[in-house]
Amino acid sequence: AQSVTQLGSHVSVSEGALVLLRCNYSSSVPPYLFWYVQYPNQGLQLLLKYTSAATLVKGINGFEAEFKKSETSFHLTKPSAHMSDAAEYFCAVSDRSGGSNYKLTFGKGTLLTVNP
Amino acid sequence: DTEVTQTPKHLVMGMTNKKSLKCEQHMGHRAMYWYKQKAKKPPELMFVYSYEKLSINESVPSRFSPECPNSSLLNLHLHALQPEDSALYLCASSRLGVTNTGELFFGEGSRLTVL
Repeated sequence: AQSVTQLGSHVSVSEGALVLLRCNYSSSVPPYLFWYVQYPNQGLQLLLKYTSAATLVKGINGFEAEFKKSETSFHLTKPSAHMSDAAEYFCAVSDRSGGSNYKLTFGKGTLLTVNP
Repeated sequence: DTEVTQTPKHLVMGMTNKKSLKCEQHMGHRAMYWYKQKAKKPPELMFVYSYEKLSINESVPSRFSPECPNSSLLNLHLHALQPEDSALYLCASSRLGVTNTGELFFGEGSRLTVL
C-alpha cells in the first residue's frame, strides 16, 4: 500500500522567505507524485507532478519539487513566498488499484501561512 | 478556470430532504470521482466510475447514491443525511489507459450543510 507523510501540519514564513514543504512517500513500485494546492472554500488545483521524467519538476506560481528516490522524498519549494501563497498544500502518490484505475493517496496536508 | 463544473456551490438540506449534487466535465476523461472533505482534512475517496461503471465504492453509506448517466456527467443523490455528513464534496475526473498517471482534475466543490 502507498502512503504519504507530510512533515508539519502548519508552516509559517515571512513574505519573501524560502518556502519548504516536506513530503515523504512509501511505494512498492515507482510512484507518480503530485502536489496540490487548495485555497479556502475551493477545490484542489495541481501545482506540479512527477511522472518518472526529470527529477526536478517545475510547477505553477514559481513552485518546484525534487524527486529523491534514495530519500523517498518529494519536497516542495519556492524561493520567495508571496502573500497569495497562503493556502493548504497536499502531497499525493498514485496507486494503481486494479485494472486501469488509479487511486490517489493524499497526505494530511500542510497549511502555509505567509506573514507580511 | 476549472474544467470540472460542480453545482450547486452551496446546499443546505434537512435530514428528511432528497437532493442531488451534479458534476460535469468536457475533457474526454473516462474516470470520474466523488470525494468528501471535512475541514482541515485531506479529501476522502467515496466513489469511482470508470467507463460509466461503478468501479470503486469505499464502503459509503447507502444514503449517498452515485449515478453516471454518461461519460461527461456524474451525480450524487443524497437522502436522509445526518449532520455529520456536512462537508465539502469534490468531484474529479482523470484519463484512463496508458496515458493515465493518476492525475486528478478537481471541481470547485459543493459545500453541503445538513441541519
